[in-house]
Amino acid sequence: DGGITQSPKYLFRKEGQNVTLSCEQNLNHDAMYWYRQDPGQGLRLIYYSQIVNDFQKGDIAEGYSVSREKKESFPLTVTSAQKNPTAFYLCATLDGDSLGYTFGSGTRLTVV
Amino acid sequence: DAKTTQPPSMDCAEGRAANLPCNHSTISGNEYVYWYRQIHSQGPQYIIHGLKNNETNEMASLIITEDRKSSTLILPHATLRDTAVYYCIVSPYNDYKLSFGAGTTVTVRA
Repeated sequence: DGGITQSPKYLFRKEGQNVTLSCEQNLNHDAMYWYRQDPGQGLRLIYYSQIVNDFQKGDIAEGYSVSREKKESFPLTVTSAQKNPTAFYLCATLDGDSLGYTFGSGTRLTVV
Repeated sequence: DAKTTQPPSMDCAEGRAANLPCNHSTISGNEYVYWYRQIHSQGPQYIIHGLKNNETNEMASLIITEDRKSSTLILPHATLRDTAVYYCIVSPYNDYKLSFGAGTTVTVRA
């Protein structure tokens, strides 16, 4: 996974519950991202962070929250306010020199 | 608003070159062309990027037209493991954000 660990790989949540997806990297990259992917669709940006203690909303931030207390970690919380949370969630980092993203292997979240 | 246009799908014979087109007629002078691919249920993988010159690496070649309004990703000898969704993206150098559309689903057949 290029130094990015996402856990768990599969996650089941009951409606009305918050759930936190983990993303850890050892690539020493400054920028980190969360994307959502629905079946047959492209990726949509949820949140991104360019430096520690700073993050910005992406295109579909409603119902999600993030924190960036450490360079290595960028957890994503899917709150009960997210109307349709079932999806494949991908975490990524960006190498500022090569301009290439490295993606984790993803977490597949299912609301039951 | 989509910045790139790609065919939704294409087939390729194993061992042959796969040529994946991408139109980006509104590309700006400071925008790069990036290619990524996503094998089923995995995270996308960076392939190559370029500004205006043709680029080649161990995975693929990128041919950008002189007017920069279109490009072609070439997989020189496609294998079954190249079956994936391929994304063409344009983005400025300092944007720090890439927008992934639906891409082209490439199926390599034996």
